[in-house]
Amino acid sequence: EVVLTQSPATLTLSPGERATLSCRASQSVSDYLVWFQQKPGQAPRLLIYDATIRATGIPARFSGSGSGTDFTLTINSLQPEDFAVYYCQQRRSWPLTFGGGTRVEMK
Amino acid sequence: EVQLLESGGGLKQPGETLRLSCAAYGFTFPDYPMGWVRQAPGKGPEWVSSIGASGTSRFYADSVTGRLTVSRDNPRNTLYLQVNSLRAEDTAVYYCVKDMGQENWPHAFDFWGRGILVTVSS
Repeated sequence: EVVLTQSPATLTLSPGERATLSCRASQSVSDYLVWFQQKPGQAPRLLIYDATIRATGIPARFSGSGSGTDFTLTINSLQPEDFAVYYCQQRRSWPLTFGGGTRVEMK
Repeated sequence: EVQLLESGGGLKQPGETLRLSCAAYGFTFPDYPMGWVRQAPGKGPEWVSSIGASGTSRFYADSVTGRLTVSRDNPRNTLYLQVNSLRAEDTAVYYCVKDMGQENWPHAFDFWGRGILVTVSS
């Protein structure tokens, strides 16, 4: 099973700042890495798939990078609606696994 | 507009059987793999099961193998999940998810239902 470790657990930033979130895989997942955003009381929303491709309707301030075992989600110029929990997930192999999440909270 | 509507949740007793349904709208259901993801209170999402577009291929998380059965009725555009011998640790919000892959899957889950709460307690 591929274990995904996200860091930091919590990121405290102000609107307008840049957020950098990390996801590390216990073994290579190539570029089969997905990022989701989840707000309280809502289902996760697809942000990025295949490590770098923005899903339909996702603003350009969200970008993904990385391959193999190390991945980054960057949110440029945080907007108030971006404060949420972010999860990475790998689709390289069964069982599909999620990281533990990074909470982006407002300073 | 894609919609996934889960039903069948609620309060269940330990040892009972749960059957969830997910009615799909707004896309050609028989063309896409589907899945279930659950999220225990205060925890992150946990993938539970996926099923291929035709229903022939099925995959389960190790933590639930043997107790779960995923199935689909393509003419009725409906996905199902049956969980036997319910345990307290099955308490979670269960999400129905659409896989965006067709020939190449598993792919990303591009649409999620609103989720349905299942509480297992005596």
